[in-house]
Amino acid sequence: LAKTTQPISMDSYEGQEVNITCSHNNIATNDYITWYQQFPSQGPRFIIQGYKTKVTNEVASLFIPADRKSSTLSLPRVSLSDTAVYYCLVEQAAGNKLTFGGGTRVLVKP
Amino acid sequence: DSGVTQTPKHLITATGQRVTLRCSPRSGDLSVYWYQQSLDQGLQFLIQYYNGEERAKGNILERFSAQQFPDLHSELNLSSLELGDSALYFCASSSLVASGTPSSYNEQFFGPGTRLTVL
Repeated sequence: LAKTTQPISMDSYEGQEVNITCSHNNIATNDYITWYQQFPSQGPRFIIQGYKTKVTNEVASLFIPADRKSSTLSLPRVSLSDTAVYYCLVEQAAGNKLTFGGGTRVLVKP
Repeated sequence: DSGVTQTPKHLITATGQRVTLRCSPRSGDLSVYWYQQSLDQGLQFLIQYYNGEERAKGNILERFSAQQFPDLHSELNLSSLELGDSALYFCASSSLVASGTPSSYNEQFFGPGTRLTVL
């Protein structure tokens, strides 16, 4: 199984860009990286998914370097409502295994 | 609202007992996933079903079992419960069959969870 590691927490301020990096050393060629956001007492919510290079949607960007041993979720211009726990997920094609990172608690301050 | 429903919302039971958690996926989704979230273990993938068949297995204990019915709802059965089984149990659904292929896209929609407390 892929091992995924994320920082436990990080603080930011409104309007700043937040970058969260997930390490996944043992990732195979066909494995996907997905990021989820979770608020207290709620189920995780999909943010973005990528396979390689860069993916951007209306809320975030995902950067995956060529060696694919890590990925970085970028949240532009965060607001107070972005305070949440962010999880990276490696979806392994072999055996359809799913491995979440431990989650990064992001606190956005005014 | 993700469109995924889970019942019950809360469940309190005693050690040694057996419980059943229920999940209804989003309309049209054939894949159902079960996860356990505890304070010390984080989010753990338990099992995935696709259109009634088991698709993938994660860290699911032998005391736990699941199934997906013809109407696509799923049930997670937890037996011989221990204190350590206290956790949030999430169900998620997606429309994808197999995740991880280069041309695939797999967005999972999570339910609100069932909070299980074992006393």
